[in-house]
Amino acid sequence: QKEVEQNSGPLSVPEGAIASLNCTYSDRGSQSFFWYRQYSGKSPELIMSIYSNGDKEDGRFTAQLNKASQYVSLLIRDSQPSDSATYLCAVIRGWAGGTSYGKLTFGQGTILTVHP
Amino acid sequence: DTGVSQDPRHKITKRGQNVTFRCDPISEHNRLYWYRQTLGQGPEFLTYFQNEAQLEKSRLLSDRFSAERPKGSFSTLEIQRTEQGDSAMYLCASPGQGNTEAFFGQGTRLTVV
Repeated sequence: QKEVEQNSGPLSVPEGAIASLNCTYSDRGSQSFFWYRQYSGKSPELIMSIYSNGDKEDGRFTAQLNKASQYVSLLIRDSQPSDSATYLCAVIRGWAGGTSYGKLTFGQGTILTVHP
Repeated sequence: DTGVSQDPRHKITKRGQNVTFRCDPISEHNRLYWYRQTLGQGPEFLTYFQNEAQLEKSRLLSDRFSAERPKGSFSTLEIQRTEQGDSAMYLCASPGQGNTEAFFGQGTRLTVV
């Protein structure tokens, strides 16, 4: 079982629709959860962070965390063609002897295409 | 601009040559991470520095790889005797003010021919 798994893509949605991206993680001790957006040929860009159960909204983006189900999701409302990118889910796993604090474990990414 | 700067942005090298990459992290932050990303995959952790001390190394970091962070400021990642399998994007990351979020530099795209 992979440590962080994302729903297989690619995902294609029409402009203006809601895009839903999902992620599950295996380590129950995981503490912090992030969504990165990565355009082709560029480095990952942090778009959302979430640390406690529930929803967190930032503009058109909503991150949802359910620690009991070990599940994180990202909703993009009113999707735009400029949202077309690879979305990476990342977690910080449980503290490991204090030496790897802040180390990110990534999923494989989901490619999102928003078509006009 | 995340405040994390990497150099060079692109590097093409012949198999067997040595290469060195540099990362200048967000100023005054004591933690620095290196990751590697191959095509179609998420970034994978390579190594972590707290100030000048290298506190963790991934098994991905073979003995051909070495990383340093002299004086706890910039960091270098060297690959000796490069192989085609080393072709990847090498990413450096530094936490922001929140101390848990990681911000990436532009990355160094390495192509071994």
